[in-house]
Amino acid sequence: GDSVTQMEGPVTLSEEAFLTINCTYTATGYPSLFWYVQYPGEGLQLLLKATKADDKGSNKGFEATYRKETTSFHLEKGSVQVSDSAVYFCALTNSGGSNYKLTFGKGTLLTVNP
Amino acid sequence: EPEVTQTPSHQVTQMGQEVILRCVPISNHLYFYWYRQILGQKVEFLVSFYNNEISEKSEIFDDQFSVERPDGSNFTLKIRSTKLEDSAMYFCASSFTAGDYFFGPGTRLTVL
Repeated sequence: GDSVTQMEGPVTLSEEAFLTINCTYTATGYPSLFWYVQYPGEGLQLLLKATKADDKGSNKGFEATYRKETTSFHLEKGSVQVSDSAVYFCALTNSGGSNYKLTFGKGTLLTVNP
Repeated sequence: EPEVTQTPSHQVTQMGQEVILRCVPISNHLYFYWYRQILGQKVEFLVSFYNNEISEKSEIFDDQFSVERPDGSNFTLKIRSTKLEDSAMYFCASSFTAGDYFFGPGTRLTVL
């Protein structure tokens, strides 16, 4: 079945540091890929998405590029802020008969220190 | 901006009791979902609902679970006889098109 693997956390960075959170996936067909963010005490918010190979999703300074050849969708940000501290989830939906349910990775806790 | 709402925000119950978690999806959405997140673990799919019936369910969604859309606006998840391991955050989501999810803020269920 479909699966998502993302780097284990926690990740601790200083403000203005560069962020990469790795995400790779296994899926049949042509999945859509997502990054969700969960701030402390809150629900899941869509951060960005990409629906086909070579697409780049971007939002709030975060970017991720859909790489079919490496089955990856790594999240990057050039300069993190304290307010970016949250749990980040990589996820996919697969139109191949799965009714578009989301399959999530385990999440990566990011802490940004001032 | 339209949003998915969930009530209650926190539910505490005794083992063996029935609980109903409520969700109001965005009004013109067609697909409805429940997910859960056990503390510190990944978000897991429970069930999807389309055209007034379950379209897919996971292994977690056993006979103790049921869903309903009783009045065209609410979408409920019932757990018939709660177990300790049902303690989790339960997220409702809805979408109009495939993959365009909107999540609610979640209900934290604590089973004692």
